[in-house]
This record gives sequence, structure tokens and C-alpha cells, in this order.
Amino acid sequence: GIQVEQSPPDLILQEGANSTLRCNFSDSVNNLQWFHQNPWGQLINLFYIPSGTKQNGRLSATTVATERYSLLYISSSQTTDSGVYFCAVFSGGYNKLIFGAGTRLAVHP
Amino acid sequence: KAGVTQTPRYLIKTRGQQVTLSCSPISGHRSVSWYQQTPGQGLQFLFEYFSETQRNKGNFPGRFSGRQFSNSRSEMNVSTLELGDSALYLCASSSSTGSSYEQYFGPGTRLTVT
Repeated sequence: GIQVEQSPPDLILQEGANSTLRCNFSDSVNNLQWFHQNPWGQLINLFYIPSGTKQNGRLSATTVATERYSLLYISSSQTTDSGVYFCAVFSGGYNKLIFGAGTRLAVHP
Repeated sequence: KAGVTQTPRYLIKTRGQQVTLSCSPISGHRSVSWYQQTPGQGLQFLFEYFSETQRNKGNFPGRFSGRQFSNSRSEMNVSTLELGDSALYLCASSSSTGSSYEQYFGPGTRLTVT
């Protein structure tokens, strides 16, 4: 089945720094989503981005489906950005998301 | 619109017991999927229901089952609980219309098996 790899696994930043999280996938996908998991476990939708570039405030994402990767950019990071970021792709038919292992981000004041 | 809701939020059970978790999707969404999250295995797909039919199933034993009702609410059941079933169980809903299959997750049910 399709494999999803995220890097780096862990990231420590000072408040105000910028960062780039990467998601590689092993096969063509129909769709891709980025999530932020808050400390209580809920997955918060960041981007639904099968291709192209989207921006939402300090966050932006780019997916290059033909090269099988997606990037999540976080600018001017804040302590509230801390948590785990997941990339997930749709595999095959219907709504089956395959998740990467996540990037654990810690932003210190 | 109200988001995806899950009940209960926390649950403690004993090995050998069974448990039922509930998920109410976003109004108008007909697809509900279930996922298990553990520290060792990460987030894994359990199954997906659409219009009361299971369309897809992950690689889990038959002790894990689910169903969907005509109002799109879904339940999942785990029988003969094992310690390894301790996990965060997340459900997601999707409208599955047109070209958008974006999934929205509920807050999860944290199950502890002792």
C-alpha cells in the first residue's frame, strides 16, 4: 500500500521562527490533507490540498502531486503552534486516509 | 454548523468486556470513518460507512465492528477487549460530494482497558 513519510520527526523552534514540514508519499494520490493535533487529541483541519498552493494566515501549503510531496510552511511561529502535525493522503477509493507518523513541533517563548 | 461529535469522551473498561462508541457526523455528511490512534502504531484506518453500508475496512480483527444508521450517525463496537485496544478512537465525516472528500474529525474517545 501507499507509504507516507513526514520529516523532520521532531522540531524545536524559538517563537518567531519559520519552519517547513515535508510530506512524501509513495504513489499517486487523489487528495491530501494537513492536520494539527491539539493537546487534547483532536485533529484540526489545516489544509485540504490535492495540488497547488494555499495560504491561511501564517500557514501555507504546497502540494506537487507529480513529484509526490507536500510542504507545510509555518511563519512567525507562536507557542500555540506547538503540537503534532500530520499529513494524510487518500488511498484508492472512498474515504480511507493514510497518515504519516507526524512531526512533533515545540515552540518555546 | 455543529462539528463532529463523539461520545463518550473517556472510557475505562476491563479486559474481556465490550464497548460501544458513538459518532454523530456534521449535518448533511453521509460518510463516517473510524480511526485508531496508539503511540506505537500511529493513526490507522478502521472502517468507513456511507449510507448505512460499509465501503472500506482496515486491517483489524473481527472484534472491531461498526454500523451506520439512517441519520448517518455511526457506532463502533469492540468485543472481548484486550489491553492493546487502549487507544484514542477518532471518527471523521465527509460529504463525499463532487470532487471534495475533505474529512473532518471529532474530538475522539479515549479508551483505557485495564
